Amino acid sequence: GQNIDQPTEMTATEGAIVQINCTYQTSGFNGLFWYQQHAGEAPTFLSYNVLDGLEEKGRFSSFLSRSKGYSYLLLKELQMKDSASYLCAVRDRNYQLIWGAGTKLIIKP
Amino acid sequence: ETGVTQTPRHLVMGMTNKKSLKCEQHLGHNAMYWYKQSAKKPLELMFVYSLEERVENNSVPSRFSPECPNSSHLFLHLHTLQPEDSALYLCASSQGDAGELFFGEGSRLTVL
Repeated sequence: GQNIDQPTEMTATEGAIVQINCTYQTSGFNGLFWYQQHAGEAPTFLSYNVLDGLEEKGRFSSFLSRSKGYSYLLLKELQMKDSASYLCAVRDRNYQLIWGAGTKLIIKP
Repeated sequence: ETGVTQTPRHLVMGMTNKKSLKCEQHLGHNAMYWYKQSAKKPLELMFVYSLEERVENNSVPSRFSPECPNSSHLFLHLHTLQPEDSALYLCASSQGDAGELFFGEGSRLTVL
């Protein structure tokens, strides 16, 4: 079967750096997405990786290794507003999106 | 206007009621989706419409009935639901099947 694994919950300190990992086993690969979802709000798109390497976008970066079935989302200079759930999703060979259960990130002052 | 709008935001219904969830997208996309989001579980794809044609059903119980009258509107008709159907129902849209999804804020459904 197809599967996405990510930690259920993480805690970090304001101003610090945190890395959220995502591993996947899917039938084929057509890109990996990271979404942010604040409590009670819509998931919003953060990043997309289809080739190996690091994609940087401001304080957020996303890394992909297709050979390892692995990605991470790196958040720098953490702010209280970064407290949210982070969802990892992979498009398989049929372009179906396979979702992880999300990582709840708690930022402490 | 926000990109994807869902109404109502909250809904409480009994098991014998009939209600509908509405979704509207203002992004000019050609694909729309219904997802179910339960606590600590991955998003579950329920229905996909591409160019107003349903392309996926994913073995969803018949008590959920989708309708897509045009490329901007999507409905989810609900009848004789069960308490385990209580969840957040998210609508999304995309341009083609490879584009990123844009989500609405969801309809929080509670079935008593």
